[in-house]
Amino acid sequence: AQTVTQSQPEMSVQEAETVTLSCTYDTSESDYYLFWYKQPPSRQMILVIRQEAYKQQNATENRFSVNFQKAAKSFSLKISDSQLGDAAMYFCARVQGGSEKLVFGKGTKLTVNP
Amino acid sequence: DAGVIQSPRHEVTEMGQEVTLRCKPISGHNSLFWYRQTMMRGLELLIYFNNNVPIDDSGMPEDRFSAKMPNASFSTLKIQPSEPRDSAVYFCASTLWGIQETQYFGPGTRLLVL
Repeated sequence: AQTVTQSQPEMSVQEAETVTLSCTYDTSESDYYLFWYKQPPSRQMILVIRQEAYKQQNATENRFSVNFQKAAKSFSLKISDSQLGDAAMYFCARVQGGSEKLVFGKGTKLTVNP
Repeated sequence: DAGVIQSPRHEVTEMGQEVTLRCKPISGHNSLFWYRQTMMRGLELLIYFNNNVPIDDSGMPEDRFSAKMPNASFSTLKIQPSEPRDSAVYFCASTLWGIQETQYFGPGTRLLVL
């Protein structure tokens, strides 16, 4: 089975500092999509950022950016100027080739310390 | 624009009872997904529909689970009879397949089977 791996079950960061969450994935395809979702205590799944594998440029959304290394099958999320509201579970996910299936990692719990 | 709507938000029931979860996808979306989230297994895809037709139900745990999508605006996930191990958060998500690959999630239904 093709997998998505998040090797950091928990991370913490000081408010206003930068943190990077790691994600690696397994695929034999050349075209696919990668996502980071945020799940705060409310349990709502919120899209943070998406990356299209055929695009070389790393996606950016305000304070959130990714480091996409296609050859290494790595897709890390960088959160700059961390805010208390960034505290949540973060899930990395990949659209499985040939279908619409999202495959999720196990998640990283991010704590933001004031 | 309204997001994905799920009802009920919380459900407490007794073992053996029938449970019906409901979902209204984002207007215009043509694909709908049902996920289950538990601590042990994380986020799992149960079934998804494209243009109201079930495409892949390989994630449905057993015959006690069934899902329908009678029209583009409504889907149900039914568990009959329910068991304590079905306790989980159930998410519905939708997307406009072929145009965008991002899935947008509803707020989830938290199910507790006693």
